[in-house]
Amino acid sequence: AQSVSQHNHHVILSEAASLELGCNYSYGGTVNLFWYVQYPGQHLQLLLKYFSGDPLVKGIKGFEAEFIKSKFSFNLRKPSVQWSDTAEYFCAVNGHHGSSNTGKLIFGQGTTLQVKP
Amino acid sequence: NAGVMQNPRHLVRRRGQEARLRCSPMKGHSHVYWYRQLPEEGLKFMVYLQKENIIDESGMPKERFSAEFPKEGPSILRIQQVVRGDSAAYFCASSPPGQGRNYGYTFGSGTRLTVV
Repeated sequence: AQSVSQHNHHVILSEAASLELGCNYSYGGTVNLFWYVQYPGQHLQLLLKYFSGDPLVKGIKGFEAEFIKSKFSFNLRKPSVQWSDTAEYFCAVNGHHGSSNTGKLIFGQGTTLQVKP
Repeated sequence: NAGVMQNPRHLVRRRGQEARLRCSPMKGHSHVYWYRQLPEEGLKFMVYLQKENIIDESGMPKERFSAEFPKEGPSILRIQQVVRGDSAAYFCASSPPGQGRNYGYTFGSGTRLTVV
């Protein structure tokens, strides 16, 4: 069965600090990987996604993530956070076997990021 | 182009009542997914539907929960005889047909169900 683990449940940073949120998944087949952000009271928004190709993917708002297949990881990074990055961050995996992909996502538990001004 | 519309945003039900949650997908989207977010947890997949078809309901509780996506109108997630444990945020997402479903989908704002 597929699973996703986010190691940091609650992270507190000061503005301008660097951010790295861990995400590990378990699935032996082909994966599509996603990071979503949920600002307080809002819906989930896609930050970035990886399907194939360059394992370093860049998303919106200065976020990037690196897919390391050997480590089953897809960590999210940002060099310098802002107060407006305060939100909950979810890693998600879609494991599939080609044409049988239903698009179902398995989410991690989420990481709450609090950025202090 | 309106996004995924869910209503109501907040729903309060007494134990034993029925809850109906609606989701209108984005224009041109024919795939709908329902997820549930319990307090302090991530989103859990419930069901995947296409028009008039349930494709994957592996995440749906066996009893009291049902979902539909009729030819006309929104997708409905129905919870009969609600219990306190059903209190959660229910999110709907939609994606375009074909391989578009692989490319990440658009979420609605969710319905927060509170059972009292």
